[in-house]
Amino acid sequence: EIVMTQSPATLSVSPGERATLSCRASQSVSSNLAWYQQKPGQAPRLLIFGASTRATGIPARFSGSGSGTEFTLTISSLQSEDFAVYYCQHYNNWPVTFGQGTRLEIK
Amino acid sequence: EVQVVESGGGLVQPGGSLRLSCAASGFTFSSYEMNWVRQAPGKGLEWVAYISSSGSSIHYADAVKGRFTISRDNAKNSLYLQMSSLRGEDTAVYYCASHYDGSGVWFEYWGQGTLVTVAS
Repeated sequence: EIVMTQSPATLSVSPGERATLSCRASQSVSSNLAWYQQKPGQAPRLLIFGASTRATGIPARFSGSGSGTEFTLTISSLQSEDFAVYYCQHYNNWPVTFGQGTRLEIK
Repeated sequence: EVQVVESGGGLVQPGGSLRLSCAASGFTFSSYEMNWVRQAPGKGLEWVAYISSSGSSIHYADAVKGRFTISRDNAKNSLYLQMSSLRGEDTAVYYCASHYDGSGVWFEYWGQGTLVTVAS
């Protein structure tokens, strides 16, 4: 099973600033990586798939990069609605696994 | 409009059984592969089970293999999860999550979840 490790666990950023979230895989997952956003009491929302392709309706301030074992989600200018928990997930093989999440909080 | 609605959650004793359902609309259900993903209270996301669009291919997480059974009825646009020999660690919100047949296994459509509590 591939272990996904996200860092940091909590990130404090001011509105309007840039946020950079990291995700590391225990072995290569090629570009088979997705990112999700989850707000309290809500289901996760797909942001990125294929490591860098934005899902339908996702604003351009969200971008993904990386391949192999190192991935990054960047939010270029944080809006109030972006403060949430973010998860990465690989889908290179079974079982698909998620990272433990990064909580993005207002500084 | 895409709608995915889970039902069937509730309180069940350890060792008991429960059947979850997921009703989908607003997309061509038979063209989508379906999954169950769960989230224990205050914890992260955990994939549980997968079924292909035709139902011919199924995968389970090791944590539930032999205890849970995933199935679907394309005529009813519905997904199911039969859970047996339930344990306290199965307590979670269970989400129905889908991805297009032929795409990668990223989860495009999610329901709002149904809470399963295993306790005596």
